[in-house]
Amino acid sequence: QKEVEQNSGPLSVPEGAIASLNCTYSDRGSQSFFWYRQYSGKSPELIMFIYSNGDKEDGRFTAQLNKASQYVSLLIRDSQPSDSATYLCAVTSGTYKYIFGTGTRLKVLA
Amino acid sequence: SAVISQKPSRDICQRGTSLTIQCQVDSQVTMMFWYRQQPGQSLTLIATANQGSEATYESGFVIDKFPISRPNLTFSTLTVSNMSPEDSSIYLCSVEGGQGRRTDTQYFGPGTRLTVL
Repeated sequence: QKEVEQNSGPLSVPEGAIASLNCTYSDRGSQSFFWYRQYSGKSPELIMFIYSNGDKEDGRFTAQLNKASQYVSLLIRDSQPSDSATYLCAVTSGTYKYIFGTGTRLKVLA
Repeated sequence: SAVISQKPSRDICQRGTSLTIQCQVDSQVTMMFWYRQQPGQSLTLIATANQGSEATYESGFVIDKFPISRPNLTFSTLTVSNMSPEDSSIYLCSVEGGQGRRTDTQYFGPGTRLTVL
């Protein structure tokens, strides 16, 4: 069964620090990788997507993909209390089906 | 940005009854999806709904329990039938593509919080 694994956390970081969130996946044929942010009581919101090995930066967010090691990570620089949320990793395969990880809860301490 | 709405936003229902959840999108989309998210858990795909064809259900979900309609390219409904307390969850619809949105990315509605007593 295809799986996407995340550490459930909580991951606590002080305000201004870098938060590093990790995700591993089992299907080597996976093609697209997404990070969603979900605030408590709200629906998931797309914040990053990445298709190719390497880094992709968007503001304070950097997604990193390593297909050989089958992991994707999300770095949040200059973390703010407003970044406190659950971050969901999602992966799609050749069947175009999304598989979500269980999410990592991030707490940014003021 | 995407405008995806769901009705109702929340409901409290009695055991044995049914609830129909509506999902409306601001532009035409081919693929619509229904998910369930139980408290403290991640998202579980219930089914994929394409306009003009029967919904495709994931393992563990059946049409009799979760009938889905997709009458056009901007609207879908999910019915939770013969409810039990185990059906208490957040139900989310999502779409791929549409105006101003990537076609290979899913965008979520605000969700329907269902409590079954």
